[in-house]
Amino acid sequence: GQQVMQIPQYQHVQEGEDFTTYCNSSTTLSNIQWYKQRPGGHPVFLIQLVKSGEVKKQKRLTFQFGEAKKNSSLHITATQTTDVGTYFCAPSRGGSARQLTFGSGTQLTVLP
Amino acid sequence: DTAVSQTPKYLVTQMGNDKSIKCEQNLGHDTMYWYKQDSKKFLKIMFSYNNKELIINETVPNRFSPKSPDKAHLNLHINSLELGDSAVYFCASSHGGGVLNEKLFFGSGTQLSVL
Repeated sequence: GQQVMQIPQYQHVQEGEDFTTYCNSSTTLSNIQWYKQRPGGHPVFLIQLVKSGEVKKQKRLTFQFGEAKKNSSLHITATQTTDVGTYFCAPSRGGSARQLTFGSGTQLTVLP
Repeated sequence: DTAVSQTPKYLVTQMGNDKSIKCEQNLGHDTMYWYKQDSKKFLKIMFSYNNKELIINETVPNRFSPKSPDKAHLNLHINSLELGDSAVYFCASSHGGGVLNEKLFFGSGTQLSVL
C-alpha cells in the first residue's frame, strides 16, 4: 500500500522565521492536497497539486509538488502566530476524495 | 449556515455504554465520511458512504456502525465503548459523483472521552 511520511512531526519557530514541512511517498501520486488544522479546530483544505513540478503560492505559503510526483512541500515565509496549527499532506492515488490518505501532520508552534 | 455539522461537540461517557454521533451536510454532496483522530493527531478514515451506500469500511471494530438515512446525513453509533475509543471523530463530505480532484469538507469534530 501507499506509504506516506511527513516530517518533521513538530516544529517550533520564532515569529518571523520560515517553516517547511515535507511529505514523501514511496509510490507515485496522482495528486496531493494540503490541509491546516488550528488547535481545537478541524482540518481545512488549503490547496491541491496535480502536475509534476507544480508550484503554487498563497500569500506567504508556497506549495511544491516534486518532479517525480512522489514528494511535496509546504513552505511558510515569515511565520505569524496565526500560522499555528497542524499541517497535513493528503496524497491521493486517484482523483476521488475517497482515495485520500493523510500524512501524520506537522504541528507548528510559533513563538511571539 | 454551517456546511458540515456534527453533534455533540463533546461526549463523556462510561466504558460499556452505547453512544451516537450525528452528522449532517448542507452542501449537496454525495459522499460522506467518518474519520478518527487520535491524541497524536493521526487522521484515519473509518467509513465512507456514497449516496447512502457504504463504499469504504476500513478495519474498524464492528462495535462501530454507521448509518446513512439519506445522502445528507451520516450517523455513527458505537456499542460497548472502550477506553481506546477516546478520540476526536470528524465527519466530512465531498462532492462525489465522479468529480475529479475533489476536496474534503470537515465538521467541527466530536471529542469522545471514555472513562
